[in-house]
Amino acid sequence: GESVGLHLPTLSVQEGDNSIINCAYSNSASDYFIWYKQESGKGPQFIIDIRSNMDKRQGQRVTVLLNKTVKHLSLQIAATQPGDSAVYFCADSKFYFGTGTSLTVIP
Amino acid sequence: EADIYQTPRYLVIGTGKKITLECSQTMGHDKMYWYQQDPGMELHLIHYSYGVNSTEKGDLSSESTVSRIRTEHFPLTLESARPSHTSQYLCASRRDGPWETQYFGPGTRLLVL
Repeated sequence: GESVGLHLPTLSVQEGDNSIINCAYSNSASDYFIWYKQESGKGPQFIIDIRSNMDKRQGQRVTVLLNKTVKHLSLQIAATQPGDSAVYFCADSKFYFGTGTSLTVIP
Repeated sequence: EADIYQTPRYLVIGTGKKITLECSQTMGHDKMYWYQQDPGMELHLIHYSYGVNSTEKGDLSSESTVSRIRTEHFPLTLESARPSHTSQYLCASRRDGPWETQYFGPGTRLLVL
């Protein structure tokens, strides 16, 4: 079946370092991908999205890269801050969600 | 900030009780969704609606039911709660269109004793 999954369940980074969270998808017809951030006790919040006709999109401190050849996307967070600690999910255009990566920022 | 609301935020209830989880949005979104999420786990789609009087079951089998009588309101009902229903329930909505993202409510944490 279709799936959207994340490579690593947990990631710890030092404050100020860059974080990279990876995601693989199986449906080559997916034309839209979204990254969400979910803090403890809250619903997921939209971070950034990318359409399949792009391979890179930048936001404030975040960049999403899409590699359609290998069906992989990544979320890069620059200068990671303690407030970035959360679970990050990727989802495709059918809103299939993976298990999430729990990011912990070490002060 | 998304204008999507869920009540109650927390609910502890006994087995066999009927419960309704409320979800409402003021953005005029046609599409609405219910997800079930266990702690630290992925989101599973249990119901969705593409507009008034439209409801569909999602990928995860659920004993709950939904209704969509008004655009802004998408309640989820469990006729007879069981401990296996203990979970977090997340409601989301989005505009119609191919590249429109979902906006999530804060969730309802349900504990069935």
